Amino acid sequence: SDVLTQPPSLSVAPGQTARITCGGRNIGSKGVNWYQQTPGQAPILVVYADSRRPAGIPERFSGSNSGNTATLIISGVEAGDEADYYCQVSDFRIDPAWVFGGGTKLNV
Amino acid sequence: QVTLKESGPVLVRPTETLTLTCSVSGFSLSETGMGVSWIRQPPGQALEWLAHIFSNDETLYSSSLKTRVTLSKDTSKSQVVLTLTNVDPVDSATYYCARTTTGVYGPRFDSWGQGALVTVSS
Repeated sequence: SDVLTQPPSLSVAPGQTARITCGGRNIGSKGVNWYQQTPGQAPILVVYADSRRPAGIPERFSGSNSGNTATLIISGVEAGDEADYYCQVSDFRIDPAWVFGGGTKLNV
Repeated sequence: QVTLKESGPVLVRPTETLTLTCSVSGFSLSETGMGVSWIRQPPGQALEWLAHIFSNDETLYSSSLKTRVTLSKDTSKSQVVLTLTNVDPVDSATYYCARTTTGVYGPRFDSWGQGALVTVSS
């Protein structure tokens, strides 16, 4: 099965750029989705297919994916961005079909 | 507007069966490219995918639970039901159902329910 590795935490000052990494063997060959979860709330999709944004997600959120590392990029970080972020990949040929990373707590 | 809502017991005894229902609106469970997954999150821990049901009723299960978990759906009622047998305290978690959109950009969980906190304890 796929194993996705994320740093447990990342601290960024307001206005700076946060780069949250997600490591996995040959992850660049798969589409990566990213979810944001604030305390007590359900996750929400912020980036899908490596770099696409769902409707309503600010342009400050973007992503990249190459080789063994995918990255969620949050530009101009705001206090409201403080949350847990999870990367996720899917492959129906393996088990489990959907895998999440361990999550990264972004401190602003 | 797409919405999902989980319902079921708050407390379950060890060895009993947990049944959770996901009621959806804003889309059809028979719509091509749409499906529903169940994902759980133990307190303070990461998300774990459990099971998925496709629009054609095909299912996928995580092998970690495969012998204990079953998904079914009632399209007319817009409901998906998760059944987990022989529960253990380690099954205590918030259980989420999520709409899974599968298309040219790959599958993703684009709408989530609010979650249902389930505690397994005697």
